[in-house]
Amino acid sequence: EVQLVESGGGLVQPGRSLRLSCAASGFTFDDYAMHWVRLVPGKGLEWVSGISWNSGSVAYVDSVKGRFTISRDNAKNFLYLQMNSLRAEDTALYYCAKEGPTYYFDYWGQGTLVTVSS
Amino acid sequence: QSALTQPPSASGSPGQSVTISCTGTSSDVGGYNYVSWYQQHPGKAPKLMIYEVSERPSGVPDRFSGSKSGNTASLTVSGLQAEDEADYYCSSYAGITNYVFGTGTKVTVL
Repeated sequence: EVQLVESGGGLVQPGRSLRLSCAASGFTFDDYAMHWVRLVPGKGLEWVSGISWNSGSVAYVDSVKGRFTISRDNAKNFLYLQMNSLRAEDTALYYCAKEGPTYYFDYWGQGTLVTVSS
Repeated sequence: QSALTQPPSASGSPGQSVTISCTGTSSDVGGYNYVSWYQQHPGKAPKLMIYEVSERPSGVPDRFSGSKSGNTASLTVSGLQAEDEADYYCSSYAGITNYVFGTGTKVTVL
């Protein structure tokens, strides 16, 4: 059974940093690209960042470029999101999502809540 | 990287059909046959309902169908049931590990 378990969220002041983690199990982790998607309160889902199976390709939504860094540890089956210079508009529920054999998200975690507020 | 455009809401009575549109550009929806649709109930994680424009994952009822024409994709839910009441989001591959989501549609079963 595929499981994705996020952790690392919390309340943080604007300008500070946070590191999200996603523990993956139930599939061959290093066969698939992985992504972070956030649910913004009152708005909707927003794709945040993605990383290829071998970390050779990474991508970000424009609003987080230069502030967020995605990475993965295939030996430990973990996905990470380092979030620096956090802003109020980064407040959201952050999901870890597995990419399918082609281009879609077939499994999602339950999310970790990030609240940026002074 | 602009969000795909969806109607904010859609509704129908039990047994009726509802269709949700998802409009993008030639750089996303129109450029790839990689449109997917997700159902999200309050407090739950999104669930994949349609992938590659019209393919249904195992376990998704055949009441759910997808299509695409040009830069606009559509999700149709036929034979509406109470449990179909949820938020629905489209998503499109947009090149080299990039994706974009739609603005979301709240489906209400009257």
